[in-house]
Amino acid sequence: AQSVAQPEDQVNVAEGNPLTVKCTYSVSGNPYLFWYVQYPNRGLQFLLKYITGDNLVKGSYGFEAEFNKSQTSFHLKKPSALVSDSALYFCAVRERNNFNKFYFGSGTKLNVKP
Amino acid sequence: KAGVTQTPRYLIKTRGQQVTLSCSPISGHRSVSWYQQTPGQGLQFLFEYFSETQRNKGNFPGRFSGRQFSNSRSEMNVSTLELGDSALYLCASSLAATAQETQYFGPGTRLLVL
Repeated sequence: AQSVAQPEDQVNVAEGNPLTVKCTYSVSGNPYLFWYVQYPNRGLQFLLKYITGDNLVKGSYGFEAEFNKSQTSFHLKKPSALVSDSALYFCAVRERNNFNKFYFGSGTKLNVKP
Repeated sequence: KAGVTQTPRYLIKTRGQQVTLSCSPISGHRSVSWYQQTPGQGLQFLFEYFSETQRNKGNFPGRFSGRQFSNSRSEMNVSTLELGDSALYLCASSLAATAQETQYFGPGTRLLVL
């Protein structure tokens, strides 16, 4: 079965330190990969996506993600965390040839402490 | 450009009632998808409309229905509400319905069924 895994329910990091939010997937056929962020009582906000090309994708608010095909991973990273980055982060994977086959991870709550 | 808007933002209903939620996509976007978000099940795909046609439907009972108008605005209807329908309902729009397209989400409608 196709799936997306975010192995950590919660990630805690101190402000100014680097952060990583992990995502692995089991979706066939070189899928497209996305990261979204959700603040309390808000919808999902697009951060970045991997379509093709360079394995390091840069996105909004200083976030970037590293695609690793052999490990089927797409980890979200930021060199220096801000308290305002505290939110719920979702990894999403879409089959390359099917718009509607869009799989979301369960979400990782990022807590950045001052 | 204005983002995806959803109305109402909050709704309280009782079991057995029906409810209609509205979504206005980003101007120029023709694809509208609906998702249900709950703490237990995460994000689940409901259905997707493109040019007034429902192109795909998730695994939800027939009580959940929707439609799209010629201006791309979409409505979702839930009849005979059950307690388990309490959730955040998210609408997302995209320019086209191709797999690499980014979906942009609205703020959601939080439905509470008593």
